[in-house]
Amino acid sequence: SQKIEQNSEALNIQEGKTATLTCNYTNYSPAYLQWYRQDPGRGPVFLLLIRENEKEKRKERLKVTFDTTLKQSLFHITASQPADSATYLCALESVSDSWGKLQFGAGTQVVVTP
Amino acid sequence: DTAVSQTPKYLVTQMGNDKSIKCEQNLGHDTMYWYKQDSKKFLKIMFSYNNKELIINETVPNRFSPKSPDKAHLNLHINSLELGDSAVYFCASSQEGLGTLNEQFFGPGTRLTVL
Repeated sequence: SQKIEQNSEALNIQEGKTATLTCNYTNYSPAYLQWYRQDPGRGPVFLLLIRENEKEKRKERLKVTFDTTLKQSLFHITASQPADSATYLCALESVSDSWGKLQFGAGTQVVVTP
Repeated sequence: DTAVSQTPKYLVTQMGNDKSIKCEQNLGHDTMYWYKQDSKKFLKIMFSYNNKELIINETVPNRFSPKSPDKAHLNLHINSLELGDSAVYFCASSQEGLGTLNEQFFGPGTRLTVL
């Protein structure tokens, strides 16, 4: 069966350090992978998209890598700030699925302490 | 300006009742979605409409019926509510197609509590 796994334990990190989150998947042929941020009581907000033929994408302090051999994406927040504290969700769209059908992981909570 | 809006934000009701949640997007997108996020925070897609046409219909009880009167609106009607329907329901929209980013824009969510 298809699975998307993210670390269920919260990631506690000191301000200024790099937070690295993992998204592993099984039984998917992903067209692309997306990362979202979700704050308590709010809807997810899109951060980055990486396609299956791309290795790395960057946006400001965020970096995403995608290894289709390992079936893994890593999400990095460099120079982390307390405002980065949130839950981060990865989501996959499979090549065999309808356009826009995203399957989400359960998310990893990040807590950045000053 | 709110991009994707949902009403109501909170909905508390008794088992067996029928309720509706409304969603509107002003982004000009062609595709809209309903997601359910349960107590374990798992976000699962329920339905998707593209230009008022149903394109994704996951394994959802037929007590749930989406309706899209136009491409800017996607409502969710739930009949005979059950305790297990308690969750946060999110509406989202996107502009699908070649050359687009395919990012989805989410509404603020509707927290449904069934007593």
